[in-house]
Parts: sequence; structure tokens; C-alpha cells
Amino acid sequence: NAGVTQTPKFQVLKTGQSMTLQCAQDMNHEYMSWYRQDPGMGLRLIHYSVGAGITDQGEVPNGYNVSRSTTEDFPLRLLSAAPSQTSVYFCASSPTAASTDTQYFGPGTRLTVL
Amino acid sequence: GENVEQHPSTLSVQEGDSAVIKCTYSDSASNYFPWYKQELGKRPQLIIDIRSNVGEKKDQRIAVTLNKTAKHFSLHITETQPEDSAVYFCAASIGYGGSQGNLIFGKGTKLSVKP
Repeated sequence: NAGVTQTPKFQVLKTGQSMTLQCAQDMNHEYMSWYRQDPGMGLRLIHYSVGAGITDQGEVPNGYNVSRSTTEDFPLRLLSAAPSQTSVYFCASSPTAASTDTQYFGPGTRLTVL
Repeated sequence: GENVEQHPSTLSVQEGDSAVIKCTYSDSASNYFPWYKQELGKRPQLIIDIRSNVGEKKDQRIAVTLNKTAKHFSLHITETQPEDSAVYFCAASIGYGGSQGNLIFGKGTKLSVKP
């Protein structure tokens, strides 16, 4: 199993551009989520999904969209990038949406918005 | 809103000493408390976790304790080694919408182990 994979590893955008960060897992996990990590801020939940066709907002959802058309994929879309979205983005998955399931993280995408 | 506070933000110890990192949480419904280690430029890696029906859990040099009444939990690393140097994050399960499986993270502790 490859686990949780993310592409790209690095990305530079100009303000106003749009892009999609890709996340995939091959463990048949129901639950997937997106976090952003900023210096001194820990990880903050952006959006999450408890299964195909179901998504919901986390702590910091503004400026981001998600969809979950398959169990394996959970892309994160930035519609109009802003410098405040410069961050490292991590995707995570767990077997179910149960509160006691272990979450496994992808390798991250470092995004810079100029 | 709900939050997790983590202390200290930085911790420096001599090799062989013990290190303790403490976290407090606000959501009384939280029942899962993982600890992650993150090395520079890498993803967070789970090192130990504890569920609310357990007060203490140990895995070799690492242990976690949980006090649900006081809403705090701690990470203990004994006989520290230079390779323990990293940023450590605590987290607590929290409910958003219809899911109880989300995590809220502390802001991290940068541990430095000096040889």
C-alpha cells in the first residue's frame, strides 16, 4: 500500500490563480481530511469527509472547496488564491469517522502564494 | 470555540534526561488523544495515543497519561536521545457537524536533545 499520497509537493501561485491539491489513499478509508499548517499554529482542519459524496467544513474552510466522488480521492480546490493561503497542506485519512480511529497523514504540499 | 493548549512551546534537555509535554483540552466529549512527532520537512507521525477509558499507556521510552476530570494529558519521554529532537503535537478528538472523528491540535512543542 502507498498509504496517503499528495501532489504536488511544492507549488507557487500568483494571487487570484486557482489550483487543486490532490490527495489519494489506497487503504479503503472512509474518513479523509485536509489540514493547513502555519508556523506556530499547529494543524488546523479545513474540510473533512466521512465517505464518498459527503463533505463538511472544519475550523478554517473559507477560500477552499472539496469534493469526494470516490472513496480514494479527496481533492482540495483553491478558487482564487490569496497570500494568506501560503501554508503547508496535509491530507489525512482514517478507517472510519469514529472518534477513536488513528489518522494517517500524507507527505504534504508546500504552497506559496505571491 | 474548542481548543487544545500545549506547553511548553520549546523544551531543551540533555541526552538521557526525561522530557514532559503537557496539554489541556476544552471539549468534555473528547475521547481520543494522539501524539504526533514531526521532523523538519516531514509529515506528522503518530507515536502514541490514548483513549478515554485508559489512564496511562506506555510504549518503551514513551508514555502518555490522561486525567479526564482535569481535562489534561501529558507525554513523557524517558532516556532522551538526539533522534528524539523534533516538534511534538498533541491532539484531541472533536465533533464538527455529524462527525466525532476530527482532531484539534495543540500548537506544538519543539524538543531539542543535546548530546
